[in-house]
Amino acid sequence: GAVVSQHPSRVICKSGTSVKIECRSLDFQATTMFWYRQFPKQSLMLMATSNEGSKATYEQGVEKDKFLINHASLTLSTLTVTSAHPEDSSFYICSGVRGTGELFFGEGSRLTVL
Amino acid sequence: KQEVTQIPAALSVPEGENLVLNCSFTDSAIYNLQWFRQDPGKGLTSLLLIQSSQREQTSGRLNASLDKSSGRSTLYIAASQPGDSATYLCAVRNYGGSQGNLIFGKGTKLSVKP
Repeated sequence: GAVVSQHPSRVICKSGTSVKIECRSLDFQATTMFWYRQFPKQSLMLMATSNEGSKATYEQGVEKDKFLINHASLTLSTLTVTSAHPEDSSFYICSGVRGTGELFFGEGSRLTVL
Repeated sequence: KQEVTQIPAALSVPEGENLVLNCSFTDSAIYNLQWFRQDPGKGLTSLLLIQSSQREQTSGRLNASLDKSSGRSTLYIAASQPGDSATYLCAVRNYGGSQGNLIFGKGTKLSVKP
């Protein structure tokens, strides 16, 4: 299957700081990538769709000024959690779509905000 | 509103046993259905993708079926192994939804005992 790489896998930060998470498609070009959030024992929830060369589209209830998304190339999308607070602590996962519509996911990034 | 339910929430079986994981969805107007595997603290690994026009897909010891009219899908795992231990997620994509806008179930946590 296709490979999507996420970095960092774990990050701990102080409240009020910003954290950037990278998502790379290693063996395919992804004009569209997706960012999800997963709280413990809950389902993954789509946060936003990252579009190469244009603005991201956000799901209802997701603050675009808090979760900044940049998709500057066909293989890289970044999610920046700005002014992070403890309630932003979660597991963030990205995915890219290839060919038939099958999604390939990254390894996820565990964010802990102290 | 589409809802995806997975039963059971957890399952423990001895090695070598065949098993079935269940997924049900409330709105039969789906575009496709995908099964994923998630290891603890990790991202998702795509297992099988079934398009709405298909009835089943097979990959190795895995077989997934889809019955849109009844809103059900099953994932059959043959000759289970300890390495199959993980959480299995079912996700549907609705017609009209974006490629990444999957509705996930909460998963079935499988434990295969040696």
